[in-house]
This record gives sequence, structure tokens and C-alpha cells, in this order.
Amino acid sequence: GAVVSQHPSRVICKSGTSVKIECRSLDFQATTMFWYRQFPKQSLMLMATSNEGSKATYEQGVEKDKFLINHASLTLSTLTVTSAHPEDSSFYICSASRETGGNQPQHFGDGTRLSIL
Amino acid sequence: GQNIDQPTEMTATEGAIVQINCTYQTSGFNGLFWYQQHAGEAPTFLSYNVLDGLEEKGRFSSFLSRSKGYSYLLLKELQMKDSASYLCAVRDGDYKLSFGAGTTVTVRA
Repeated sequence: GAVVSQHPSRVICKSGTSVKIECRSLDFQATTMFWYRQFPKQSLMLMATSNEGSKATYEQGVEKDKFLINHASLTLSTLTVTSAHPEDSSFYICSASRETGGNQPQHFGDGTRLSIL
Repeated sequence: GQNIDQPTEMTATEGAIVQINCTYQTSGFNGLFWYQQHAGEAPTFLSYNVLDGLEEKGRFSSFLSRSKGYSYLLLKELQMKDSASYLCAVRDGDYKLSFGAGTTVTVRA
């Protein structure tokens, strides 16, 4: 069964709206979670690393004030797309791993398809 | 940054075998993963290699050569449901995953 839950699965909203996406690890604690964005027919691009109890680490070119990340507990990270515009329309996916190293893979949530009108 | 290359598309017949190659250049190496992604869905984990050699898991096998920066995913006895995108992902020295652009495999009857 799923080990990472992501909600909502689909959002359609007007330009200027802020959208919050939740990512939960279901049966393990995740000190680190990852947020990716995927445009059609392209691969996943890492946006940021979400760290429990501390600030997220953003990849180059990702605006931290635009994409707010909060990792308030060991099982929940949230991504808020602030004042979303049509160019923010994309497939957003979170992932978490049972442990940082070792052979544990990152497990992905089901993704959130964001459409900004 | 990371550099991960894999073919864009491959087509094969049901019951056949297909091999998807992946070459990579990364700063640090902590394992290579293969994921399957159906259109509109999130990736699902297929295999993991960190040491050189072949890992077999049912109809899917994955091979790694660290000295060559090379891996392949072998899909045997292809089924129609195997039509999907296959993503090669490398975990770097900071334990971050970088993905290749994906190989779209189309299985024909």
C-alpha cells in the first residue's frame, strides 16, 4: 500500500490564489521530504528539500517566497504556492524515504495537478 | 549539477525483451534507482543498485557499472501494462535524487 500520501490530487483555481499541498508519510517518520515539479513530457525537477524543524533548502532558480515549505512534524510537510499564476500550472510531487541513506528508495505521493486559470 | 542521459523512446512487441540504458555523471554517488511512471501518475519504485552487478526482480533486472557511469533496466516478457515512462535516477553525495528525462516504452501487440 501507499507509504506517502499527498493531498489534494487536483486543484483548479484562479490566478492570484494561494494553494496549499500536503504530503504525509503514513507509517514512518521522515525528517526529510522532497518536493518536485514535473511539466508535461519532462522529468521531475527537484524544487526543495524539506527539513523537519528547520528551514527548507531550495534548488537554484526556485523562489523561496513563492513556494513556501513548512515541515512542522515528522510526518507532514506542506508546500504553499503563493499568488499562483498560469505559469505555475504543473504536476507537483512529494517524496520521502524511510531513512536518508542505505538502500531505502524515495517513495512518492500520488502528485497534485495544479491548473491556474 | 548532474548529467543523466537515457533514450527518449523505445518500442517493443508483447513478450519481447527491452533494455533501457542510462549513463550518468554526478558529484558523489549513493545509488541508482529505476522508477516506472504511467501518464498522469507519480513514479513507482522498481529497483536499486549501489554496487556493480545485476539485480534481478522478477521480470525486471537492473545492472550497474560505477566505473563506467552506466546502468540498464531490462524488461523481460513484456506486457501491455508495461507501456510507461521509465526514469533513471541517481542519488548524489548529498542524498538528493536527480532524474533523467525518462524513456517512454510502448508495447505493441
